[in-house]
Amino acid sequence: DTGVSQDPRHKITKRGQNVTFRCDPISEHNRLYWYRQTLGQGPEFLTYFQNEAQLEKSRLLSDRFSAERPKGSFSTLEIQRTEQGDSAMYLCASSGDRGPSYGYTFGSGTRLTVV
Amino acid sequence: GEDVEQSLFLSVREGDSSVINCTYTDSSSTYLYWYKQEPGAGLQLLTYIFSNMDMKQDQRLTVLLNKKDKHLSLRIADTQTGDSAIYFCAESPSGANNLFFGTGTRLTVIP
Repeated sequence: DTGVSQDPRHKITKRGQNVTFRCDPISEHNRLYWYRQTLGQGPEFLTYFQNEAQLEKSRLLSDRFSAERPKGSFSTLEIQRTEQGDSAMYLCASSGDRGPSYGYTFGSGTRLTVV
Repeated sequence: GEDVEQSLFLSVREGDSSVINCTYTDSSSTYLYWYKQEPGAGLQLLTYIFSNMDMKQDQRLTVLLNKKDKHLSLRIADTQTGDSAIYFCAESPSGANNLFFGTGTRLTVIP
């Protein structure tokens, strides 16, 4: 297991298009998190899954955003009708049963540019 | 809400010690963390400290926690050019599933 994988690494899209990102967590981790990081800022929490259940969503996750984790393994984050303000690095992280206690393991992120 | 603050920039000479400071607001935070981010990469967990500890040392890294002042610091001994990166402080409030991050401190190591 090489850690948390995210795909694609970079995505450039035109405003109004839909995009989907994928995250493969560490296989034995049942918790999965999505964060967004804009330039010059720290990561901001978007949503959290425990197994296949989406247990928490931040107010940053507008109705254009949807995340799924259908089998409790990989997760997808879809953004519909992208806007320039969606340009950011989208980070996925995973952790074991103790949640954030011992810190998350982050992936390398997907950098989205909306033109 | 939670607010984690860090100074934005720090420059040190190679071989010197670096001290990166952070203040946080949620006194219920059980764990506090330091992450490192290199250009274009995700975040790497460096170390964490439990809130009932004052200090934690891990090789070149020393974390100091002043719970009364809600102040956390990361000291890197014998700083190397490979330590150049952005360092994020994060807190995990009691009962929360997510972390709250500061804006990051960009450490530049001058050869």
